[in-house]
Formats: sequence, structure tokens, C-alpha cells
Amino acid sequence: EVQLVESGGDVAQSGESLTLSCVASGFSFHHYSMHWVRQAPGKGLEWVGLISWDGGSTYFADSVKGRFSLSRDNSENSLFLHMGNLRTEDTALYYCARDGAAYSYSSMDVWGKGTTVTVSA
Amino acid sequence: EIVMTQSPATLSMSPGERATLSCRASQSVSSNLAWYQQKPGQTPRLLIYGASTRATGVPAGFSGSGSGTEFTLTISSLQSEDFAFYYCQQYNDWPRTFGGGTKVEIK
Repeated sequence: EVQLVESGGDVAQSGESLTLSCVASGFSFHHYSMHWVRQAPGKGLEWVGLISWDGGSTYFADSVKGRFSLSRDNSENSLFLHMGNLRTEDTALYYCARDGAAYSYSSMDVWGKGTTVTVSA
Repeated sequence: EIVMTQSPATLSMSPGERATLSCRASQSVSSNLAWYQQKPGQTPRLLIYGASTRATGVPAGFSGSGSGTEFTLTISSLQSEDFAFYYCQQYNDWPRTFGGGTKVEIK
């Protein structure tokens, strides 16, 4: 079964850092780019960033550029979102999602259940 | 960045009716457009990619159309399980962007 499981969500203060993890199973992780998408309470979906299948390329939303970074460990089927200088507006449920195209970029076809980040002032 | 605008924000429909949801891009995204369904408390689910290709397991009652800047998601006959939020998303350019969503609710 294809599965993504996020962890690392916590309560943090403004300005602090946090790292989220996502462990993949049931597919060849190293073939796929991976996304993070967040959803603030009662709001819609916001794309956060993507890391390519080999970790060589990363892309971010303007709202997190310069504060967040991405890494992956293909030997451990793991994805990481490093969140720095957190702001209250980063409070959200964070999903990791698989890109639908191997060795390319497409839509998001597999989603985890998410992990919650709460940032207090 | 490409701004995705969905309309209407809320669609009040009765079971069995045909629902038409719209998504507009601020610039052309070619056919690099996806639709997702999200039920309250659940994870988003990919419905359509490439503007018109149904994802695996998606019922034939869901169809997508359009290209460039205008897109439509059609649900041919609303079932009880179809009442949910729907989001469009472009993957033609960086950053990827979602529309604000359409809530399909029971009338």
C-alpha cells in the first residue's frame, strides 16, 4: 500500500524553528518529487514547496521562501521540511504529498494525513 | 505567481443534480491543471489531472475540461458522498498555486 506518514508537528513560539518529517512506503521513493502543502484552520490549501526526486532542486511559495528549506534521505524513504523563523501565520496542518510523475513534475496523487504546527506569538 | 480563482465559492445543490465548478487562471497554464476533492476532516484526494484525465479510482461521473485559463469540473449527478470542497491547482509554473475552493453543499 502506498503510504505517507508525517510527524514532527508541535507548538512553537514565533521566531523558533521546527522540522517536519514524512516517511514514505509502498513505492520507489527515489523516483518521485515530493511536495508539502498546508492548510490553516478553516482555510483552503496552500502549496509550500517541492523537492525533486534526487534532492537537486527545490521550489518554494513566496510566503516561506528564505525561511523554510527541504531535504530528503532516499536511503530512508524520508522527506524533511525545515521551518525557520516561524510566524503565527504558519499555523496549519502540514501535508506531504507525492508528485504524480516519476522523474518529472505533475499534480499530487498521494497524500499523508498531515501533522499540525501551531505557532504562538 | 499565477492566481487561480474558483467560482462560485459555494454551490447549493440537490442530490441527482449536475454540478459545474469553474476555475480561472491569471495566465495560461496550458493543460497543467488538477482538481482535488476534500471532505471535512479528511485528506485531499486527486480527482483530475491534465485538465481532463480522471485519476485512478475516480468515478466516471466526474469530468474535467478546459485549457489555457478557463477550466471546468463537472459532476454529472451528485451523490451524497460528493458534497465536499473542491480545489483546482496549476502545475504549469512555480510556485504551484491552488484556487480558493468551491464548497458543494446540500440544498
